[in-house]
Amino acid sequence: AQSVTQLGSHVSVSEGALVLLRCNYSSSVPPYLFWYVQYPNQGLQLLLKYTTGATLVKGINGFEAEFKKSETSFHLTKPSAHMSDAAEYFCAVSDGGATNKLIFGTGTLLAVQP
Amino acid sequence: GAVVSQHPSWVICKSGTSVKIECRSLDFQATTMFWYRQFPKKSLMLMATSNEGSKATYEQGVEKDKFLINHASLTLSTLTVTSAHPEDSSFYICSARVDRGGYGYTFGSGTRLTVV
Repeated sequence: AQSVTQLGSHVSVSEGALVLLRCNYSSSVPPYLFWYVQYPNQGLQLLLKYTTGATLVKGINGFEAEFKKSETSFHLTKPSAHMSDAAEYFCAVSDGGATNKLIFGTGTLLAVQP
Repeated sequence: GAVVSQHPSWVICKSGTSVKIECRSLDFQATTMFWYRQFPKKSLMLMATSNEGSKATYEQGVEKDKFLINHASLTLSTLTVTSAHPEDSSFYICSARVDRGGYGYTFGSGTRLTVV
C-alpha cells in the first residue's frame, strides 16, 4: 500500500525567498508521484509529476521537484516565492496502474509574507 | 484537454434528503473515476473507485449505502449522498484517470455540500 507524508502543515516564507515543501512516500512498487495546488473552494491543479525518466521534474509556475529513490522523497521547490503562490499544496502517490488509486498527503499550507 | 466537469458547485439540502453530484468527462472517455471527500483544512480522503459498467469499490470505512456511486457510461459518474445528515457536510471532488499526455489524473472543481 502507498502512503505519503508531508512534513510541515504550515510553511511561511517571505516574498522572493526559496520555497521548500517536503514530501516522503512509501510504496511497494515504483511510485508515480504528483504535486497539486489547491486554492480555497476549488479543485486541484497539477503542478508536476514524476512517472519515469529524469528524476528532476519541472512544472508550472516555476516549481520543480526531484525524485530521490534512496531517500523516498519528492520535495517541491521554487527559487523565489510570489504572493500568488499562497495556497494549499498536496503531494500524492499512485501505484501506476495496479489499482490506479491516487493517495494524498495531508497537505501543506503555504503562506507568503510581503 | 482531459476536462472533468462537476456539478453542482455547491448545494444546501435538508437533513434526511438525498443529493446527487455529477461528474462528466467532457473530451475523453473515463474508464475509471474516483470520488474524494475533503474536510475543512484536511487532505483528500479517497472514498471509492468506480469503473464504467461495474460496481464501485469503496475504501474501508466508507458506507456504501450512504454514498451511492454509479458509473453507467464512459463519460458520467454520479455520487448520491442518501439520507444526508449534517455530518455529511463536506467538499466532494471527483477525479478521472487520463493517459493523454502521459499517466495522470484530472479533477473536477468540487462540490460544497451543506446539510442543514
